[in-house]
Amino acid sequence: DTGVSQNPRHKITKRGQNVTFRCDPISEHNRLYWYRQTLGQGPEFLTYFQNEAQLEKSRLLSDRFSAERPKGSFSTLEIQRTEQRDSAMYRCASSLSSGGNEQYFGPGTRLTVT
Amino acid sequence: AQSVSQHNHHVILSEAASLELGCNYSYGGTVNLFWYVQYPGQHLQLLLKYFSGDPLVKGIKGFEAEFIKSKFSFNLRKPSVQWSDTAEYFCAVNRDDSWGKLQFGAGTQVVVTP
Repeated sequence: DTGVSQNPRHKITKRGQNVTFRCDPISEHNRLYWYRQTLGQGPEFLTYFQNEAQLEKSRLLSDRFSAERPKGSFSTLEIQRTEQRDSAMYRCASSLSSGGNEQYFGPGTRLTVT
Repeated sequence: AQSVSQHNHHVILSEAASLELGCNYSYGGTVNLFWYVQYPGQHLQLLLKYFSGDPLVKGIKGFEAEFIKSKFSFNLRKPSVQWSDTAEYFCAVNRDDSWGKLQFGAGTQVVVTP
């Protein structure tokens, strides 16, 4: 168990550019979540996968956002045509569907849009 | 809509003082309750959780929390804090019908002075 990993840890991009983040969950975990956290707030739910199926998307996730988990293992979150309001910490968590769904978080990717 | 409220945004206290952080949620159905902690420079870690049974739960590092269903509360306590408890603390709730997605409070920044 190496924990949840996320790459990159930091990303600075210019407005209008596309960015992609990667999350590698704990290997046996079938659930994967993306959250976004801005300064002074707790993490807010963005989307959820069970295995490779994306089962829920928050209304926070605009059309510029897309997430995939192609083989039920790692996941990517892409933001197209970034805007300054996309600047935030993007957090990934994974869990098992049994046992109360205790979620383990990765270190996060901090996005700064200039 | 469900919400999670943490009563204090910032708490400053001296070592050996007692700590209590309030958390209230608004959902009336069955919930699972969590406290997460983020130490400076680290990722979110689970402190403790409540799923069912004894409403007084004990977590790591001497923390405990009490679930009071009638008050929709899940307050975190520690009898005697240490400087190393300086961190941001987040209360989180998931509804048992929500695929496990967490709704977080805004967090409480706790600073323990030597």
